[in-house]
Amino acid sequence: RKEVEQDPGPFNVPEGATVAFNCTYSNSASQSFFWYRQDCRKEPKLLMSVYSSGNEDGRFTAQLNRASQYISLLIRDSKLSDSATYLCVVINRSARQLTFGSGTQLTVLP
Amino acid sequence: DVKVTQSSRYLVKRTGEKVFLECVQDMDHENMFWYRQDPGLGLRLIYFSYDVKMKEKGDIPEGYSVSREKKERFSLILESASTNQTSMYLCASRTPGTDGNTIYFGEGSWLTVV
Repeated sequence: RKEVEQDPGPFNVPEGATVAFNCTYSNSASQSFFWYRQDCRKEPKLLMSVYSSGNEDGRFTAQLNRASQYISLLIRDSKLSDSATYLCVVINRSARQLTFGSGTQLTVLP
Repeated sequence: DVKVTQSSRYLVKRTGEKVFLECVQDMDHENMFWYRQDPGLGLRLIYFSYDVKMKEKGDIPEGYSVSREKKERFSLILESASTNQTSMYLCASRTPGTDGNTIYFGEGSWLTVV
């Protein structure tokens, strides 16, 4: 089993739709969680950190469920510009190793 | 703003050549990483360094070596390039416990081995 697994996608959704991605992790010692966005042929860039209590940034909401060991990203009112690959990142308690999910591709259609 | 710079963006090398990929960060980060990214395989860790002159193997170190003589610079070396090393290489850096543990990436180096 991979240490971090993401919904394989691709997700093709119409503009205005709400879409959610999940990312499960296997190491219960995992400590920090992030969502990164990667555009085609570009480097990943931080979208948002994921906090235990859940957090929101505009149309984006991130949640952490420690009991079930997954994080989620919800995008409301999808825009064409949201089309990208979304990567989850998990950092273990030793804070040395970062583990990336393989990414979920989102295409928002007009 | 944090800057992670990969000096070589696009390279074409021949099989058997020695290849150097350089990465420099300007935020005094302790940790630096080299990943390769291939379609369908996501980001795979090649090597990381948690301090100057320190290095640890990642998930796919075979065929690669690294050097970290100065804190700001982390080099990836392909001793004898092979076609299966054609990929996009990403350098990243951070300091644990600071800036929310955020990882910063360079823009990537696209290597083609022919």
